[in-house]
Amino acid sequence: GENVEQHPSTLSVQEGDSAVIKCTYSDSASNYFPWYKQELGKRPQLIIDIRSNVGEKKDQRIAVTLNKTAKHFSLHITETQPEDSAVYFCAAPPEPGGSARQLTFGSGTQLTVLP
Amino acid sequence: GAGVSQSPRYKVAKRGQDVALRCDPISGHVSLFWYQQALGQGPEFLTYFQNEAQLDKSGLPSDRFFAERPEGSVSTLKIQRTQQEDSAVYLCASSLVGLSNQPQHFGDGTRLSIL
Repeated sequence: GENVEQHPSTLSVQEGDSAVIKCTYSDSASNYFPWYKQELGKRPQLIIDIRSNVGEKKDQRIAVTLNKTAKHFSLHITETQPEDSAVYFCAAPPEPGGSARQLTFGSGTQLTVLP
Repeated sequence: GAGVSQSPRYKVAKRGQDVALRCDPISGHVSLFWYQQALGQGPEFLTYFQNEAQLDKSGLPSDRFFAERPEGSVSTLKIQRTQQEDSAVYLCASSLVGLSNQPQHFGDGTRLSIL
């Protein structure tokens, strides 16, 4: 099955600086990579996703890059704000074409934006 | 509804009791997933439904865990003879179609505490 590793586990940045979180995956056939933001006691919220036919996707201050050769993808947050503080999870699906549908999640990154 | 709805939000039970957790997915969503999230960890897959069919239950930790979705909409996760290690947040997610590369949208979860 899919194995997803996420780094770092904690990240502190000054307000206005950029934050980068990286994930690697094991299944070279995976073709969809979402990122979730989870505030304390709340639901994981999908903030951005990327498919394997593109290398980068941006949505305002958030971007995701994908390197299929190296099997890693990264979340980039620019001009960070205190409300960006949360736990961020990357995820990857199983090999397409099989019967499995579930996401495998990374272990999470606690991002703290210091005012 | 506007999003995935789960109830109850919190459940406290004594060891040995049975519990039932409910998930109401986004209207029209074909796929429904249950995940278990331990404190400080990413969600881990339990089981998956496509309409009323339970296509994958490989993540259920024991035969004390049972899930159903009899009419292809609302789902119930039942845990019999609860144990302390069952304490966790149980998350439900739904997606529009039954493909592995589709966004999954999560509910707020049920926080289960076994005394």
